[in-house]
Amino acid sequence: GNSVTQMEGPVTLSEEAFLTINCTYTATGYPSLFWYVQYPGEGLQLLLKATKADDKGSNKGFEATYRKETTSFHLEKGSVQVSDSAVYFCALSPGGGYQKVTFGIGTKLQVIP
Amino acid sequence: ETGVTQTPRHLVMGMTNKKSLKCEQHLGHNAMYWYKQSAKKPLELMFVYSLEERVENNSVPSRFSPECPNSSHLFLHLHTLQPEDSALYLCASSQGFQSSGARLNEQFFGPGTRLTVL
Repeated sequence: GNSVTQMEGPVTLSEEAFLTINCTYTATGYPSLFWYVQYPGEGLQLLLKATKADDKGSNKGFEATYRKETTSFHLEKGSVQVSDSAVYFCALSPGGGYQKVTFGIGTKLQVIP
Repeated sequence: ETGVTQTPRHLVMGMTNKKSLKCEQHLGHNAMYWYKQSAKKPLELMFVYSLEERVENNSVPSRFSPECPNSSHLFLHLHTLQPEDSALYLCASSQGFQSSGARLNEQFFGPGTRLTVL
């Protein structure tokens, strides 16, 4: 079956530090890949996505590249802010009329001033 | 209202109570989902409705009963719950395919209902 592996954290960084959150996946075929973010007290919000190999998703300074050869979709940001403190979920979807999305466990990011 | 809304945002209930969670999506989507989010565990998919028909039921206990009266509304009826059912319950919606055939497969989430079972 499909699976997503990411570090649980928490990851603690100082403001303006470089962020990497690793995500690897196992899936058949050509899934779509996502990063969702959950701020305290809220539901999940789509941060970025990539639908095919070598695609780069980007949003709000975050980037992730769909690497089929390494089955990875690592999230990066060059300079984090306190407002980026949240839980980040890597996810994949095999596609189709409705989508049975598989989520990772979520990585908590804490950014300190 | 825009996006996906959920009510109530917080709910405390005893094990003998009956309550319902409500989800409404204002995005014109045709699929809706219930997830359970517990601490230290991955998001658990509970139910999926596509075009108002239940298409997934991931071995969820019968004390959880979903209802999808139309493509915009989704309910989760709760009765005789256990303390281990305390969690954040998230609703999501998505659109399967555009008329062009292109895939649109991201899900849009509501803010969740924080459920505590005493």
